[in-house]
Amino acid sequence: GAVVSQHPSRVICKSGTSVKIECRSLDFQATTMFWYRQFPKQSLMLMATSNEGSKATYEQGVEKDKFLINHASLTLSTLTVTSAHPEDSSFYICSARVRASGGGGELFFGEGSRLTVL
Amino acid sequence: GESVGLHLPTLSVQEGDNSIINCAYSNSASDYFIWYKQESGKGPQFIIDIRSNMDKRQGQRVTVLLNKTVKHLSLQIAATQPGDSAVYFCAENKGNAGKSTFGDGTTLTVKP
Repeated sequence: GAVVSQHPSRVICKSGTSVKIECRSLDFQATTMFWYRQFPKQSLMLMATSNEGSKATYEQGVEKDKFLINHASLTLSTLTVTSAHPEDSSFYICSARVRASGGGGELFFGEGSRLTVL
Repeated sequence: GESVGLHLPTLSVQEGDNSIINCAYSNSASDYFIWYKQESGKGPQFIIDIRSNMDKRQGQRVTVLLNKTVKHLSLQIAATQPGDSAVYFCAENKGNAGKSTFGDGTTLTVKP
């Protein structure tokens, strides 16, 4: 199956610094990727849709200047958490959809990146 | 409002038994529904999906049932194994945009 890779898997940073998380589709091209956030024992919350070559589409309540998304190529999307604070500590997960002729809903998810802000 | 929710937060079954995980949704405009499995510390893994014009779909050891009348979705796992222990999420999609709206999740624990 399709593989989506995230890096880093874990990152610890000091409050006020910025952290970049990469999401790569390894064996397919993804014109669209999605970024989710998940707090412990909670569900995934969609943050934004990353569109190759254009601006990301953010969900309501997600700060665009706080969570910068860049989708510069068909295989790479990055999420940068700017001026991180402890409340930004979370599990960030990206996903990408392989184009299906039947329009099915199979999304492939990365392994997630756990961010801890001290 | 739009929501996808689950009836029970936890489910414990004996190895070899069948498991049934339920999900209620409120958006009747959804095009298809998906079940995901998430193991601890990992990203969700696609299990099976079903289009809104279907009532049932079977996969390997899994069956998804969709009841549009009562807006209910269920995942049946046959002969549950310890490796099935995980959190299961139902999700809904509209159109081909690909993004999924996730429900709260049910933690399945399989006892040996």
